Amino acid sequence: DAKTTQPNSMESNEEEPVHLPCNHSTISGTDYIHWYRQLPSQGPEYVIHGLTSNVNNRMASLAIAEDRKSSTLILHRATLRDAAVYYCILSGGSNYKLTFGKGTLLTVNP
Amino acid sequence: NAGVTQTPKFRILKIGQSMTLQCAQDMNHNYMYWYRQDPGMGLKLIYYSVGAGITDKGEVPNGYNVSRSTTEDFPLRLELAAPSQTSVYFCASSFAGGPYNEQFFGPGTRLTVL
Repeated sequence: DAKTTQPNSMESNEEEPVHLPCNHSTISGTDYIHWYRQLPSQGPEYVIHGLTSNVNNRMASLAIAEDRKSSTLILHRATLRDAAVYYCILSGGSNYKLTFGKGTLLTVNP
Repeated sequence: NAGVTQTPKFRILKIGQSMTLQCAQDMNHNYMYWYRQDPGMGLKLIYYSVGAGITDKGEVPNGYNVSRSTTEDFPLRLELAAPSQTSVYFCASSFAGGPYNEQFFGPGTRLTVL
């Protein structure tokens, strides 16, 4: 499985944008890029996913580099509720299994 | 919709005891999964099912068994509990396979084996 690399932790201030990076230099052409997040003491929840083009939804935006070797999850205005561990995951072809790394712990300061 | 539900929320077992972790979903999803999460780590896949009557091993299946007799339920059985099975267990489901399908997770069961 192609691997991802994320910073262990990041910090942000409330109501400011947050850019969470993910490197995936061995990504294959059929790999989708998924982001999930896990709030304290909860199960993971889906945030967004994409293949080649940038994606937006009500929670976040996903910016994918042209060579697809990296991506960035963008939270436009962080709130305290966005404090969580964010996981960047690749999944492709017939593989529907998600492989979770340690993710990035996002702290949001009031 | 209740989504994915798990019972119990917490459980303490003695070494050698057995138990079943229950998981149910009401979204008519075909695919269901069991993960475990050790402290400070990401989730690891234990078993998964692509439909009623069909199950397969994930990354860490040893010490566990599963069955899938209905679309809605996917229980995880622990036989002869060991301290290494102390973990938080998450059940998840998705409508279909394929890399573009969102997985929905339950709230987890926190298991301690002493």
